Amino acid sequence: GAVVSQHPSRVICKSGTSVKIECRSLDFQATTMFWYRQFPKQSLMLMATSNEGSKATYEQGVEKDKFLINHASLTLSTLTVTSAHPEDSSFYICSASRESSNQPQHFGDGTRLSIL
Amino acid sequence: AQSVAQPEDQVNVAEGNPLTVKCTYSVSGNPYLFWYVQYPNRGLQFLLKYITGDNLVKGSYGFEAEFNKSQTSFHLKKPSALVSDSALYFCAVREETGGFKTIFGAGTRLFVKA
Repeated sequence: GAVVSQHPSRVICKSGTSVKIECRSLDFQATTMFWYRQFPKQSLMLMATSNEGSKATYEQGVEKDKFLINHASLTLSTLTVTSAHPEDSSFYICSASRESSNQPQHFGDGTRLSIL
Repeated sequence: AQSVAQPEDQVNVAEGNPLTVKCTYSVSGNPYLFWYVQYPNRGLQFLLKYITGDNLVKGSYGFEAEFNKSQTSFHLKKPSALVSDSALYFCAVREETGGFKTIFGAGTRLFVKA
């Protein structure tokens, strides 16, 4: 089956630092990747949709300058949380989808971000 | 606009008994429907999908789901629950003409007791 690798799985860092999370589709070309944030005991909140080679589409209320997304190739998308603060602490999950919209999304295992 | 509801926060089932996790949806056009499962501190895993065709869809790990257009439901079922089925289950909907944007339900936590 399709595999999506997300790295790192856990990050603990000081307030004010920037953190980069990588999402790779290992065995298929992902024209579209998604970034989600999941709060405890809650569903997934879509942050942005990224298409290879173009700017990401951010959901309402998500700060573009805070959460930088790059999708430079068909197998890699990155999310950079800039100048992170404790309120940015969360579980971030990426997913990738093949070209057709009736295909399921394949998820990475998530990144637990803790800002001290 | 599309939406999806999972009316139960939690479902408790004894091992060996049948289980049902409920999902209802709302879309303007034809729906694409999905079920995903999430284990602790992990990403989501795809279980099954309905695109078109037979209303009863079979998926991974013995799960199945029934698409009911008149009731706009897509309930997840399994004839005999296992303790290892205990996890968080998400229903998701995407409109046929809505591009890739998928809306997820709030999730239902399934507890299977031995």
